[in-house]
Amino acid sequence: SQTIHQWPATLVQPVGSPLSLECTVEGTSNPNLYWYRQAAGRGLQLLFYSVGIGQISSEVPQNLSASRPQDRQFILSSKKLLLSDSGFYLCARDSGGLRETQYFGPGTRLLVL
Amino acid sequence: GENVEQHPSTLSVQEGDSAVIKCTYSDSASNYFPWYKQELGKGPQLIIDIRSNVGEKKDQRIAVTLNKTAKHFSLHITETQPEDSAVYFCAASMDSGGGADGLTFGKGTHLIIQP
Repeated sequence: SQTIHQWPATLVQPVGSPLSLECTVEGTSNPNLYWYRQAAGRGLQLLFYSVGIGQISSEVPQNLSASRPQDRQFILSSKKLLLSDSGFYLCARDSGGLRETQYFGPGTRLLVL
Repeated sequence: GENVEQHPSTLSVQEGDSAVIKCTYSDSASNYFPWYKQELGKGPQLIIDIRSNVGEKKDQRIAVTLNKTAKHFSLHITETQPEDSAVYFCAASMDSGGGADGLTFGKGTHLIIQP
């Protein structure tokens, strides 16, 4: 199984509040995991990727951070949300053997007011 | 870094007609080109992909072509059906040989199938 779980599905938060989005995956151990953001009417932007527990690489400077406390758990966080953090956040994993083939979770829609 | 351009941003076709979506990429080292279909409120789903050692790949009504010299690739959907309506994304990636590989995505094409 390559199932990816994300929660919550939808979140409305006030500006300045903290954020924690969770992603868990099933299947093979030690997957490469990814966080993408999709703004309205735009493509997907890679935010972070992780090749293992505690290993996080950031693709773009921003107000967000990521952590990987367990092999199959990937968390996206913020201490203080900005209006510009609104968007659709997608967790993904690759196929392992062929790293480029990626599978996406159902996403979390975040609205910052 | 890689830059992927996708056209058109919106495409409306009559049911039963064909649809073609085109993408160009900038990094000649890219060697993997997937296409994703995203329905409203859901995550993208991989529908077909092609690697740089292949010029064309077909899966039922869907085909993808790749021109490495010109650095462009296209998605072709024949005999379109209402359930084909969605946003389609192209992407490009280079196998760096180690670690994770992020995909660089186009901005998407909203395909509308008119009944």
